[in-house]
Amino acid sequence: GESVGLHLPTLSVQEGDNSIINCAYSNSASDYFIWYKQESGKGPQFIIDIRSNMDKRQGQRVTVLLNKTVKHLSLQIAATQPGDSAVYFCAENPQAGTALIFGKGTTLSVSS
Amino acid sequence: EAGVAQSPRYKIIEKRQSVAFWCNPISGHATLYWYQQILGQGPKLLIQFQNNGVVDDSQLPKDRFSAERLKGVDSTLKIQPAKLEDSAVYLCASSVIAGTGDTGELFFGEGSRLTVL
Repeated sequence: GESVGLHLPTLSVQEGDNSIINCAYSNSASDYFIWYKQESGKGPQFIIDIRSNMDKRQGQRVTVLLNKTVKHLSLQIAATQPGDSAVYFCAENPQAGTALIFGKGTTLSVSS
Repeated sequence: EAGVAQSPRYKIIEKRQSVAFWCNPISGHATLYWYQQILGQGPKLLIQFQNNGVVDDSQLPKDRFSAERLKGVDSTLKIQPAKLEDSAVYLCASSVIAGTGDTGELFFGEGSRLTVL
């Protein structure tokens, strides 16, 4: 089975709202996590990453939070825009040098 | 900087036929991955190469799937014979050499969409 999953398959928000996408991971040894955005017909695109020695990392309009105690990862998008509409995946690296493991994804729909 | 190139973008075949997908990673990236993405699911690793050596092919259905990266640059993924359940997008990704043991960011191509009838 998959070791990374997302709590909600879909999330609908209004333009300008803040969005929060959640992810639970199962491997406590994972030390690196990435959020990817995938638009229809395209490959996944890097958004932001975080290593296990951090609990928060901020980018442009995005913030990733890591709670290792409960093995939970979240992606916060500020002032969500229609262009943010896509499928979002979290991915974990369970062992150094190995490939990323992806969860099922959350579809974010932004209405204006 | 050029991204990961994949071809063909779309392929339709009948079951039991064969198909091949090609990938050219970002220049200088030693690690190359093939992922399978079935509609509505996250990408699933098929095989990971470092240079021209296989790091992980534990999830590759070896009775029908094969992949090679002979010169440590571009790679080919082949399916023979194809089954209906192989309908998916085949994503190629590359990353900087994992010298420190870190995978780091994966850069993905646009994918090759396979439909098996």
